[in-house]
Amino acid sequence: KAGVTQTPRYLIKTRGQQVTLSCSPISGHRSVSWYQQTPGQGLQFLFEYFSETQRNKGNFPGRFSGRQFSNSRSEMNVSTLELGDSALYLCASSPRTGGGVEQYFGPGTRLTVT
Amino acid sequence: GQNIDQPTEMTATEGAIVQINCTYQTSGFNGLFWYQQHAGEAPTFLSYNVLDGLEEKGRFSSFLSRSKGYSYLLLKELQMKDSASYLCAVEGNTPLVFGKGTRLSVIA
Repeated sequence: KAGVTQTPRYLIKTRGQQVTLSCSPISGHRSVSWYQQTPGQGLQFLFEYFSETQRNKGNFPGRFSGRQFSNSRSEMNVSTLELGDSALYLCASSPRTGGGVEQYFGPGTRLTVT
Repeated sequence: GQNIDQPTEMTATEGAIVQINCTYQTSGFNGLFWYQQHAGEAPTFLSYNVLDGLEEKGRFSSFLSRSKGYSYLLLKELQMKDSASYLCAVEGNTPLVFGKGTRLSVIA
């Protein structure tokens, strides 16, 4: 089975621009979660989607948004980029939502904002 | 609030045993995960504890004490490939909350 894939792997943007990141979960997985990872803050939860519905949202500003399609693929969008948005964005999929479910992470998208 | 503490860095010798501690204060508690993340790679699942006690899985074991808000990951017979970051994550009333990770360096 193919793993979680994320595109693009690397991205450089300037302040004020917007960006869209894509995540394809493992086949059959319906839950997709997004995380931001930085050296200072570690892994921080952004949001979770299950069956095209946002189930949970982390403590990030409204500039961060996402969606999930009927094939479980997910996208996240960051508008009006700030320097502090430079980070590794990780997507993780799991077969179901709820407690105790192992998450399978993708390789991440490294976003640099200049 | 949510707070998860892990040591930032640890160093251990090949063949030795190392214990990586994690203490937490979170809103509710359903379970605790440990993930391993090699530099430049995605985190991978190691263990999940719900009940108090020790869960052993090969060279890796994970312990949980819910009353003390404490967990540890025990790595035995350390190998060079165990050099990585180890992330503790708590599942509570909010989505998964991760600690900042412990960077383990295994030296010869």
